[in-house]
Amino acid sequence: KAGVTQTPRYLIKTRGQQVTLSCSPISGHRSVSWYQQTPGQGLQFLFEYFSETQRNKGNFPGRFSGRQFSNSRSEMNVSTLELGDSALYLCASSLAGGHSGNTIYFGEGSWLTVV
Amino acid sequence: GDSVTQMEGPVTLSEEAFLTINCTYTATGYPSLFWYVQYPGEGLQLLLKATKADDKGSNKGFEATYRKETTSFHLEKGSVQVSDSAVYFCALSDPNNNAGNMLTFGGGTRLMVKP
Repeated sequence: KAGVTQTPRYLIKTRGQQVTLSCSPISGHRSVSWYQQTPGQGLQFLFEYFSETQRNKGNFPGRFSGRQFSNSRSEMNVSTLELGDSALYLCASSLAGGHSGNTIYFGEGSWLTVV
Repeated sequence: GDSVTQMEGPVTLSEEAFLTINCTYTATGYPSLFWYVQYPGEGLQLLLKATKADDKGSNKGFEATYRKETTSFHLEKGSVQVSDSAVYFCALSDPNNNAGNMLTFGGGTRLMVKP
């Protein structure tokens, strides 16, 4: 069974540009969430989507947005990139359900460098 | 709000030594608790989890027991190997503050095992 797939794995962007990252969840998983990992701030929750609806949102500016498609694939977008957006962006998927015991599986991440 | 506190690293051990990585948490509800591992250049892999008090999660020789009275979930392994060198993250999911699958992470503990 294929795991969580993220593309692209590595990318370099210039300040002011925008970027779109893609995530394909494990087959059958309807919940997709995104995290940002930086050396200074650690792992921080961005948002979660379930059945094409945003169900939870972390404390990030509006430049960070996402969406989920009917096949559960998800994209996140960062507009007007800043140097501080350089990070590893991790996508995670899990089965549906609203309780906290679901196992959450992570992809290998997309490494974004802003120059 | 919810929080997870881990011992700061790096933790340096010799092969076959005993490992303990401390993790304590603060949550409004009765959370599920997780340990994830991150190898260099990779995403997060679930190591083990526990969903209620006194549960013991175990995998690949690692163990952790959900202690509600001390709000702790310490990770242990009886005999570490060089291949265990990685960063370990403790995390929780609190059903009281989110309807979905959102994880709150500790800061991570880097483990280095020397031959």
